[in-house]
Amino acid sequence: DQQVKQNSPSLSVQEGRISILNCDYTNSMFDYFLWYKKYPAEGPTFLISISSIKDKNEDGRFTVFLNKSAKHLSLHIVPSQPGDSAVYFCAASEAGTYKYIFGTGTRLKVLA
Amino acid sequence: SQTIHQWPATLVQPVGSPLSLECTVEGTSNPNLYWYRQAAGRGLQLLFYSVGIGQISSEVPQNLSASRPQDRQFILSSKKLLLSDSGFYLCAWSVGRIYNSPLHFGNGTRLTVT
Repeated sequence: DQQVKQNSPSLSVQEGRISILNCDYTNSMFDYFLWYKKYPAEGPTFLISISSIKDKNEDGRFTVFLNKSAKHLSLHIVPSQPGDSAVYFCAASEAGTYKYIFGTGTRLKVLA
Repeated sequence: SQTIHQWPATLVQPVGSPLSLECTVEGTSNPNLYWYRQAAGRGLQLLFYSVGIGQISSEVPQNLSASRPQDRQFILSSKKLLLSDSGFYLCAWSVGRIYNSPLHFGNGTRLTVT
């Protein structure tokens, strides 16, 4: 049972444009959501997070949007840069637990 | 600042051999510790996590076990490796006993079972 889903395995975007990565979840008890970036042969790097009490969080070029009613979150990267090319994972944590469940990842390619 | 060390970076082991992967965290006390695995073309699967010395929560029944002999040390073991144990193993930590704290990952161990 995949509780966190990233239905797009890959995405290509032109440099300077917006990248939008999507994530859906099924567990209504999730209350904390995170995005990670991963290069090959390295560990994932934390990018940005959002609590379920908010619907938007920004950090520089990265913005995460949360739609609780739709059980959907998205990561916007503006403007996209070639160095953003990586695999992006969304993750979620259930209230009152220390467990973090990850999606299957989306490979982003930013074209110069 | 906090750092996480994971070794070895790569490992090739024959089927049926034992396994021991070690992870240590510096610069923080009482961290929550985690082992994840990324199989080829798959997402990150939570294997074990620990919120204190000697406390281990297992998420997926399998051929692996974990131990936390010291506050900032987390070990992943197997008595007899299977081919299906191949993958990229990642250790992570988060601030201890705090909900909604990001995970911070090590650089991983690439395990190939032959």
